[in-house]
Amino acid sequence: AQSVSQHNHHVILSEAASLELGCNYSYGGTVNLFWYVQYPGQHLQLLLKYFSGDPLVKGIKGFEAEFIKSKFSFNLRKPSVQWSDTAEYFCAVNAGDSSYKLIFGSGTRLLVRP
Amino acid sequence: DVKVTQSSRYLVKRTGEKVFLECVQDMDHENMFWYRQDPGLGLRLIYFSYDVKMKEKGDIPEGYSVSREKKERFSLILESASTNQTSMYLCASSWTAGDNSPLHFGNGTRLTVT
Repeated sequence: AQSVSQHNHHVILSEAASLELGCNYSYGGTVNLFWYVQYPGQHLQLLLKYFSGDPLVKGIKGFEAEFIKSKFSFNLRKPSVQWSDTAEYFCAVNAGDSSYKLIFGSGTRLLVRP
Repeated sequence: DVKVTQSSRYLVKRTGEKVFLECVQDMDHENMFWYRQDPGLGLRLIYFSYDVKMKEKGDIPEGYSVSREKKERFSLILESASTNQTSMYLCASSWTAGDNSPLHFGNGTRLTVT
């Protein structure tokens, strides 16, 4: 069965620090990969997605993620975080076999101190 | 912009009550989903629907049922609410049958069962 692991449950950074959130998945075939973000009091929204092509994908608000197939990873990065990046971040994956199911990781709560 | 509307933001119900959670989307999306979100567990899929009157079980369907009589509306039903169903419930929708359509989420319904 597919699974998604986010190893950091809570991350605390100061503004301007660099961010990397880990995401690993377990599935041997073609996958589609997503990062979603949930700001305090708001609904979940898509941050970025990878389907194929360039393994380095850029999303909104300066975020990017790199798909490393050999490591089954899709880590999220941002070179310089802002206080407004305080949110919960979810990695998600579905298998590229027309599965409708999106499997989410347990989430990482990021707190950015001003 | 896609709008997914969940009828209630907060609900408090008693054990044994029948509970209806309603979700409406305004973008003619084919796929609709119900997730529950619990701290440390991320989002877990309860049920999804890929067409009117069509439904599929997710990972944790026990104790729940769903109804999709119209394309825009997807209802989650707790036949006999129990305290372990206290959670945040998220509805989502996505475009066509493709497996790479991002999900659009509602604001969630926080259900407390006493």
